[in-house]
Amino acid sequence: QVQLLQSGAEVKKPGSSVKVSCRASGGTFGHSAVSWVRQARGQGLEWTGTITPSLGGITNYAQTLRDRISITADRSTGTIYMQLDRLESEDTGVYYCARGGGSEGIDYWGPGSLVTVSS
Amino acid sequence: QSALAQPASVSGSPGQEITISCTGTSSDIGTWTLVSWYQQYPGKAPQLIIYEEIKRPSGVSDRFSGSKSVNTASLTISGLQPEDEADYYCCSYAGNGVWLFGGGTKLTVL
Repeated sequence: QVQLLQSGAEVKKPGSSVKVSCRASGGTFGHSAVSWVRQARGQGLEWTGTITPSLGGITNYAQTLRDRISITADRSTGTIYMQLDRLESEDTGVYYCARGGGSEGIDYWGPGSLVTVSS
Repeated sequence: QSALAQPASVSGSPGQEITISCTGTSSDIGTWTLVSWYQQYPGKAPQLIIYEEIKRPSGVSDRFSGSKSVNTASLTISGLQPEDEADYYCCSYAGNGVWLFGGGTKLTVL
């Protein structure tokens, strides 16, 4: 059973940045890609981007966030990071990391990290 | 790309069978076999119940089944049980590293 561990809740001001982390309980994602999916309160799931650490950190991002999002991997610690810049109130929501999203579907999900953007 | 289209809500009585549709285009569902379905309870992370259109992960009840026809994927739940009441989301690969989710369907067990 794969378990994904995520960083805690964040409260940020509009215009600032947030960086959320995710790592696998076993210490590595192996050859799997890792995706970030967000969910605003009471709303549906939205794919934001994917990284494949084993393929040199290749990334793909949702077009709507491409100029504000960055997903990186620290292979020494097996940790994946999602940074979102120039935050807006509409970015408030739960951010899930999940295994998959490369050449395979998304299967295991982390518990989510709540990001609140408020002045 | 636009989100995949799902009905906002469906309902059924215990023991009945319901089907949730997920409509995409020839660029996503119509081209790729990477269609998944997730079940989500309030305040919880989604859980995979169907992958690659028709496959069930180990531990998922065989009351859940998936299918696809052209640009529409479907999730069928047979022998509806009270614990099936949840939100259900479809997801499809859309090419070029892009993934799309449906808007979600709230299942109510009457």
